[in-house]
Amino acid sequence: AQTVTQSQPEMSVQEAETVTLSCTYDTSESDYYLFWYKQPPSRQMILVIRQEAYKQQNATENRFSVNFQKAAKSFSLKISDSQLGDAAMYFCASGGTSYGKLTFGQGTILTVHP
Amino acid sequence: GAGVSQSPRYKVAKRGQDVALRCDPISGHVSLFWYQQALGQGPEFLTYFQNEAQLDKSGLPSDRFFAERPEGSVSTLKIQRTQQEDSAVYLCASSLVGAGHNEQFFGPGTRLTVL
Repeated sequence: AQTVTQSQPEMSVQEAETVTLSCTYDTSESDYYLFWYKQPPSRQMILVIRQEAYKQQNATENRFSVNFQKAAKSFSLKISDSQLGDAAMYFCASGGTSYGKLTFGQGTILTVHP
Repeated sequence: GAGVSQSPRYKVAKRGQDVALRCDPISGHVSLFWYQQALGQGPEFLTYFQNEAQLDKSGLPSDRFFAERPEGSVSTLKIQRTQQEDSAVYLCASSLVGAGHNEQFFGPGTRLTVL
């Protein structure tokens, strides 16, 4: 069984600043993947970044990076140089290695102020 | 098509009615998932198909929910005798193969409102 917890219902950031979204998880899987998905107001969910749990190195994708602390079961998302287009609901998710069924957190609404 | 499409985008049903929600995955994608997203919440897994085989239906909340993917492409989620608690956005996602690392591509969802 997997659980994902996002303890920040809402976050805000000034344009061009940096913001970190928190996520903790629990899983009985020995190997797993972690994801951050973005859901803009139009509702189509898109993948932001993914992390393979067996890899020590934190994943990065342009302005997006993660801080993966496996022992603490923590997986935070850092957005650098925030842009207005980053405003959305962000979901942290975990998945096993078998076929990719995802367990999502409750989401964090990110507001970007100009 | 370029992405996952779902229809209808919005559905209003009277309590007790049956509804059918359609998902067109990305062409060639083997895996197809259905999720239910209540207002202000994260999506919750309903069911998974690999081609036409329904390999996991552990998330279906009751026997009123039924999903099929008869030819391994288009999928339909059917809800019989809808109840108010069924009101939610139903998301469909597809991925190239059934493996944990694969990105799931989501459709825009169908917002179901049961009156």
